[in-house]
Amino acid sequence: EIVLTQSPGTLSLSPGERATLSCRASQSVSSSYLAWYQQKPGQAPRLLIYGASSRATGIPDRFSGSGSGTDFTLTISRLEPEDFAVYYCQQYGSSSSWTFGQGTKVEIK
Amino acid sequence: EVQLVQSGAEVKKPGESLKISCKGSGYSFTSYWIGWVRQMPGKGLEWMGIIYPGDSDTRYSPSFQGQVTISADKSISTAYLQWSSLKASDTAMYYCARPFSSAAPFDYWGQGTLVTVSS
Repeated sequence: EIVLTQSPGTLSLSPGERATLSCRASQSVSSSYLAWYQQKPGQAPRLLIYGASSRATGIPDRFSGSGSGTDFTLTISRLEPEDFAVYYCQQYGSSSSWTFGQGTKVEIK
Repeated sequence: EVQLVQSGAEVKKPGESLKISCKGSGYSFTSYWIGWVRQMPGKGLEWMGIIYPGDSDTRYSPSFQGQVTISADKSISTAYLQWSSLKASDTAMYYCARPFSSAAPFDYWGQGTLVTVSS
């Protein structure tokens, strides 16, 4: 089973700053089947990015994903107040498994 | 409009059984997988398992195999997650979610069902 490790655990930034979140897989993620989700308190997760770099419907272009193989990155170009949340990466499709990383909290500095 | 509507919050005692539900609407229920995700208090997301209601093909995360049972009733477009004997450590929010295909992320989510197990 693929294990996803996210870093850092917490990112303290100010609105307007750039956020860079990392997700590393224990083995190669096939066909870049890597997604990113945002979760705010009391809410279900929301899909942001799939296929490592494709934005889901309605997601602003300040969110971007990159990477392949075992190393993936979510970048938020300029943080808006509503972007402070927890972000999870997920691999899907490998051996019918949908594994999540442990999450990165983006908090207001 | 695609919707996944989950059953309400539950409070149970250790050792009791429980079945929670997730009703799909706005799409062909038998044509899409439905998965279950656990989130323990203050913790991250854990994928538990997934079912294809069209033929009841079911896959489990190794961490949850034998601990829960996932099923579906396609006649009423509803998926289920059940426990035969709850433990305090089952206290969590449980989400159902739908991937577009067997190799796709979860693009639609239910609102969550909070399960509290306490003596």
